[in-house]
Amino acid sequence: AQSVAQPEDQVNVAEGNPLTVKCTYSVSGNPYLFWYVQYPNRGLQFLLKYITGDNLVKGSYGFEAEFNKSQTSFHLKKPSALVSDSALYFCAVREDMNTGFQKLVFGTGTRLLVSP
Amino acid sequence: EAGVTQFPSHSVIEKGQTVTLRCDPISGHDNLYWYRRVMGKEIKFLLHFVKESKQDESGMPNNRFLAERTGGTYSTLKVQPAELEDSGVYFCASSSGQFNEQFFGPGTRLTVL
Repeated sequence: AQSVAQPEDQVNVAEGNPLTVKCTYSVSGNPYLFWYVQYPNRGLQFLLKYITGDNLVKGSYGFEAEFNKSQTSFHLKKPSALVSDSALYFCAVREDMNTGFQKLVFGTGTRLLVSP
Repeated sequence: EAGVTQFPSHSVIEKGQTVTLRCDPISGHDNLYWYRRVMGKEIKFLLHFVKESKQDESGMPNNRFLAERTGGTYSTLKVQPAELEDSGVYFCASSSGQFNEQFFGPGTRLTVL
């Protein structure tokens, strides 16, 4: 069965510093990985995805994520954090893009708090 | 282009009552999904429609939950009768194809007292 782990409930970082939000996954086949962000009182917004190709994926708002197959990780990163990046971040995995089953399996979420 | 919309944004009901949640996907999206997040836990898949057909309903918790998508446009999720453990945020998402990302609505916060 697929699973996703986000080991940190909260990540605190000062504005201007680099940030990392961790995600590890477990699937039996090829992983297809996603990051979503939820701002207060808003729905989930898609940030980026890894399907195939380069291990470093660039997404919205200056975020990027690195797929590491040997470590089964897909950590979200940003070189310089902004206060406006403060939100709840979810990592998700989908096992096989070639079947009709498209459900996403999510982690529990990591709250990012960027201080001025 | 309008995003995924959900109604109502909040619902507070008593145990044993019935509630119906509605989701309007992005126009033209054949794939529609329902997910649920119980307080502080992960977002869990409930079911997936392709047009009006249920492709995958493996996440539906029990027969108190009924989802429909008549005509392949909007979808409703009915909970009858509601129990305390049904409280949470119900998200709807849609996508245009199986290789594309899912776009989520703002969610409906359901509180069962």
